[in-house]
Amino acid sequence: AQSVSQHNHHVILSEAASLELGCNYSYGGTVNLFWYVQYPGQHLQLLLKYFSGDPLVKGIKGFEAEFIKSKFSFNLRKPSVQWSDTAEYFCAVQGGKLIFGQGTELSVKP
Amino acid sequence: NAGVTQTPKFRVLKTGQSMTLLCAQDMNHEYMYWYRQDPGMGLRLIHYSVGEGTTAKGEVPDGYNVSRLKKQNFLLGLESAAPSQTSVYFCASSYGQGLISPLHFGNGTRLTVT
Repeated sequence: AQSVSQHNHHVILSEAASLELGCNYSYGGTVNLFWYVQYPGQHLQLLLKYFSGDPLVKGIKGFEAEFIKSKFSFNLRKPSVQWSDTAEYFCAVQGGKLIFGQGTELSVKP
Repeated sequence: NAGVTQTPKFRVLKTGQSMTLLCAQDMNHEYMYWYRQDPGMGLRLIHYSVGEGTTAKGEVPDGYNVSRLKKQNFLLGLESAAPSQTSVYFCASSYGQGLISPLHFGNGTRLTVT
Protein backbone atom coordinates (compact mmCIF):
# COMPACT_ATOMS: atom_id res chain seq x y z
CA ALA A 1 0.00 0.00 0.00
CA GLN A 2 1.11 3.55 -0.70
CA SER A 3 1.84 5.71 2.33
CA VAL A 4 3.66 8.88 3.33
CA SER A 5 5.11 9.74 6.73
CA GLN A 6 6.40 13.07 7.97
CA HIS A 7 8.54 12.71 11.05
CA ASN A 8 7.99 16.04 12.73
CA HIS A 9 4.58 17.29 13.78
CA HIS A 10 5.71 20.74 14.96
CA VAL A 11 9.08 22.42 14.50
CA ILE A 12 10.03 25.69 16.17
CA LEU A 13 13.07 27.62 14.91
CA SER A 14 14.58 31.04 15.27
CA GLU A 15 15.15 33.19 12.23
CA ALA A 16 18.33 32.32 10.30
CA ALA A 17 18.34 28.75 11.62
CA SER A 18 18.60 25.92 9.12
CA LEU A 19 15.62 23.73 8.39
CA GLU A 20 15.22 20.10 7.47
CA LEU A 21 11.83 18.40 7.40
CA GLY A 22 11.72 14.66 6.96
CA CYS A 23 9.49 12.75 4.57
CA ASN A 24 9.49 9.02 3.94
CA TYR A 25 7.21 7.03 1.71
CA SER A 26 6.39 3.49 0.81
CA TYR A 27 5.42 2.39 -2.67
CA GLY A 28 6.58 -0.43 -4.87
CA GLY A 29 7.00 1.49 -8.11
CA THR A 30 8.10 4.78 -9.60
CA VAL A 31 6.92 7.86 -7.74
CA ASN A 32 6.59 11.58 -8.24
CA LEU A 33 7.30 13.65 -5.17
CA PHE A 34 6.06 17.04 -4.03
CA TRP A 35 6.29 19.48 -1.18
CA TYR A 36 3.38 21.84 -0.63
CA VAL A 37 3.11 24.76 1.78
CA GLN A 38 0.00 26.12 3.43
CA TYR A 39 0.28 29.59 4.93
CA PRO A 40 -2.18 30.46 7.71
CA GLY A 41 -5.69 30.81 6.34
CA GLN A 42 -4.70 29.93 2.79
CA HIS A 43 -4.87 26.89 0.54
CA LEU A 44 -1.94 24.68 -0.39
CA GLN A 45 0.68 25.92 -2.82
CA LEU A 46 3.40 23.95 -4.57
CA LEU A 47 6.93 24.48 -3.22
CA LEU A 48 8.81 22.05 -5.41
CA LYS A 49 8.47 18.77 -7.24
CA TYR A 50 10.57 15.83 -8.37
CA PHE A 51 9.72 13.68 -11.36
CA SER A 52 13.09 12.41 -12.61
CA GLY A 53 16.71 13.43 -13.19
CA ASP A 54 18.80 15.31 -10.63
CA PRO A 55 17.63 14.12 -7.21
CA LEU A 56 18.36 17.54 -5.71
CA VAL A 57 15.53 19.86 -6.68
CA LYS A 58 15.20 23.53 -5.97
CA GLY A 59 11.91 25.25 -5.38
CA ILE A 60 10.59 28.68 -4.61
CA LYS A 61 11.71 30.89 -1.72
CA GLY A 62 15.07 29.17 -1.28
CA PHE A 63 13.71 25.72 -0.49
CA GLU A 64 15.27 22.55 -1.85
CA ALA A 65 14.69 18.84 -1.42
CA GLU A 66 16.71 15.72 -2.03
CA PHE A 67 15.29 12.45 -3.26
CA ILE A 68 17.19 9.48 -1.86
CA LYS A 69 15.71 6.46 -3.55
CA SER A 70 17.47 3.90 -1.37
CA LYS A 71 15.99 5.49 1.74
CA PHE A 72 12.57 6.23 0.24
CA SER A 73 13.03 9.77 1.46
CA PHE A 74 12.39 13.27 0.14
CA ASN A 75 13.51 15.70 2.83
CA LEU A 76 12.90 19.43 2.57
CA ARG A 77 15.69 21.86 3.45
CA LYS A 78 16.31 25.57 3.70
CA PRO A 79 19.66 27.01 4.87
CA SER A 80 18.22 30.04 6.65
CA VAL A 81 14.54 30.38 7.57
CA GLN A 82 12.61 33.61 7.85
CA TRP A 83 9.61 34.54 9.96
CA SER A 84 7.53 34.51 6.77
CA ASP A 85 8.23 30.77 6.40
CA THR A 86 5.86 30.08 9.28
CA ALA A 87 3.37 27.68 7.72
CA GLU A 88 2.39 24.05 7.49
CA TYR A 89 4.37 21.89 5.09
CA PHE A 90 3.08 18.78 3.39
CA CYS A 91 5.00 16.11 1.60
CA ALA A 92 3.05 14.31 -1.14
CA VAL A 93 3.84 11.18 -3.08
CA GLN A 94 2.24 10.09 -6.30
CA GLY A 95 2.36 6.44 -7.11
CA GLY A 96 -1.05 5.20 -8.06
CA LYS A 97 -2.72 8.13 -6.29
CA LEU A 98 -1.50 11.41 -4.87
CA ILE A 99 -1.19 10.88 -1.13
CA PHE A 100 -0.24 13.54 1.42
CA GLY A 101 1.69 13.22 4.65
CA GLN A 102 0.27 14.39 7.94
CA GLY A 103 1.94 17.77 7.69
CA THR A 104 4.62 19.57 9.71
CA GLU A 105 3.82 22.86 11.33
CA LEU A 106 6.79 25.23 11.22
CA SER A 107 6.91 28.19 13.57
CA VAL A 108 9.75 30.68 13.05
CA LYS A 109 10.43 33.07 15.88
CA PRO A 110 11.62 36.56 14.88
CA ASN B 1 -8.29 34.28 -13.55
CA ALA B 2 -10.46 32.25 -11.18
CA GLY B 3 -8.59 28.90 -11.09
CA VAL B 4 -10.39 26.54 -8.71
CA THR B 5 -13.51 27.86 -7.01
CA GLN B 6 -15.30 26.13 -4.15
CA THR B 7 -18.74 26.93 -2.84
CA PRO B 8 -19.82 27.40 -0.14
CA LYS B 9 -16.94 28.62 2.02
CA PHE B 10 -18.62 27.74 5.30
CA ARG B 11 -21.50 25.50 6.26
CA VAL B 12 -23.05 24.17 9.44
CA LEU B 13 -25.17 21.03 9.24
CA LYS B 14 -27.11 19.00 11.73
CA THR B 15 -26.51 15.28 11.95
CA GLY B 16 -28.46 13.50 9.23
CA GLN B 17 -28.78 16.47 6.90
CA SER B 18 -27.46 16.34 3.37
CA MET B 19 -25.52 18.81 1.29
CA THR B 20 -23.46 19.19 -1.86
CA LEU B 21 -20.13 20.98 -2.19
CA LEU B 22 -19.38 22.41 -5.61
CA CYS B 23 -15.96 22.68 -7.18
CA ALA B 24 -15.46 24.49 -10.47
CA GLN B 25 -12.25 24.95 -12.45
CA ASP B 26 -11.66 27.04 -15.53
CA MET B 27 -8.27 25.63 -16.57
CA ASN B 28 -9.58 22.75 -18.69
CA HIS B 29 -8.00 20.26 -16.29
CA GLU B 30 -8.76 16.58 -16.74
CA TYR B 31 -8.16 15.48 -13.16
CA MET B 32 -10.10 16.69 -10.15
CA TYR B 33 -9.88 15.67 -6.51
CA TRP B 34 -11.64 16.10 -3.20
CA TYR B 35 -9.56 16.06 -0.02
CA ARG B 36 -10.43 16.58 3.62
CA GLN B 37 -7.97 18.19 5.99
CA ASP B 38 -8.02 17.38 9.69
CA PRO B 39 -5.50 18.38 12.39
CA GLY B 40 -2.64 15.90 12.58
CA MET B 41 -4.01 13.89 9.67
CA GLY B 42 -2.82 15.96 6.72
CA LEU B 43 -4.90 15.81 3.59
CA ARG B 44 -6.75 12.61 2.85
CA LEU B 45 -8.13 11.85 -0.57
CA ILE B 46 -11.88 11.23 -0.57
CA HIS B 47 -12.66 10.73 -4.24
CA TYR B 48 -11.11 11.77 -7.50
CA SER B 49 -11.90 11.92 -11.19
CA VAL B 50 -9.64 11.38 -14.18
CA GLY B 51 -12.08 12.87 -16.67
CA GLU B 52 -15.65 13.84 -17.39
CA GLY B 53 -18.05 11.11 -16.43
CA THR B 54 -15.53 9.15 -14.35
CA THR B 55 -14.99 8.92 -10.60
CA ALA B 56 -12.88 6.76 -8.32
CA LYS B 57 -12.49 6.16 -4.59
CA GLY B 58 -9.64 7.62 -2.62
CA GLU B 59 -8.43 6.85 0.89
CA VAL B 60 -11.57 7.79 2.84
CA PRO B 61 -14.60 7.52 0.52
CA ASP B 62 -17.22 6.25 2.98
CA GLY B 63 -20.12 8.60 3.59
CA TYR B 64 -19.42 10.65 0.46
CA ASN B 65 -20.51 10.52 -3.15
CA VAL B 66 -19.23 12.47 -6.14
CA SER B 67 -20.22 13.29 -9.67
CA ARG B 68 -18.36 14.71 -12.67
CA LEU B 69 -21.09 15.38 -15.23
CA LYS B 70 -19.19 18.29 -16.74
CA LYS B 71 -15.43 18.53 -17.13
CA GLN B 72 -15.22 21.78 -15.23
CA ASN B 73 -17.30 20.72 -12.23
CA PHE B 74 -16.75 18.13 -9.51
CA LEU B 75 -19.47 17.76 -6.88
CA LEU B 76 -19.04 16.20 -3.45
CA GLY B 77 -22.18 15.02 -1.70
CA LEU B 78 -22.90 14.07 1.88
CA GLU B 79 -26.16 12.12 2.02
CA SER B 80 -26.45 11.93 5.80
CA ALA B 81 -23.93 14.10 7.59
CA ALA B 82 -22.17 12.86 10.73
CA PRO B 83 -20.06 14.78 13.27
CA SER B 84 -17.02 12.81 12.04
CA GLN B 85 -17.37 14.67 8.76
CA THR B 86 -16.60 17.98 10.42
CA SER B 87 -13.53 19.08 8.49
CA VAL B 88 -12.08 21.45 5.95
CA TYR B 89 -12.66 20.21 2.43
CA PHE B 90 -10.35 21.10 -0.43
CA CYS B 91 -10.94 20.59 -4.10
CA ALA B 92 -8.00 20.41 -6.48
CA SER B 93 -7.42 19.93 -10.18
CA SER B 94 -4.54 19.11 -12.50
CA TYR B 95 -3.85 18.54 -16.20
CA GLY B 96 -2.73 14.99 -15.69
CA GLN B 97 -1.72 12.72 -12.86
CA GLY B 98 0.86 15.16 -11.56
CA LEU B 99 3.37 14.48 -14.31
CA ILE B 100 2.85 17.68 -16.23
CA SER B 101 1.25 19.89 -13.68
CA PRO B 102 0.84 19.75 -9.95
CA LEU B 103 -2.42 20.32 -8.15
CA HIS B 104 -4.19 23.63 -8.10
CA PHE B 105 -6.23 23.98 -4.94
CA GLY B 106 -9.40 25.83 -4.12
CA ASN B 107 -9.69 27.91 -0.96
CA GLY B 108 -11.52 25.26 1.00
CA THR B 109 -14.91 24.73 2.58
CA ARG B 110 -15.16 24.60 6.35
CA LEU B 111 -17.95 22.21 7.32
CA THR B 112 -19.23 21.72 10.84
CA VAL B 113 -21.68 18.94 11.66
CA THR B 114 -23.41 19.23 15.01
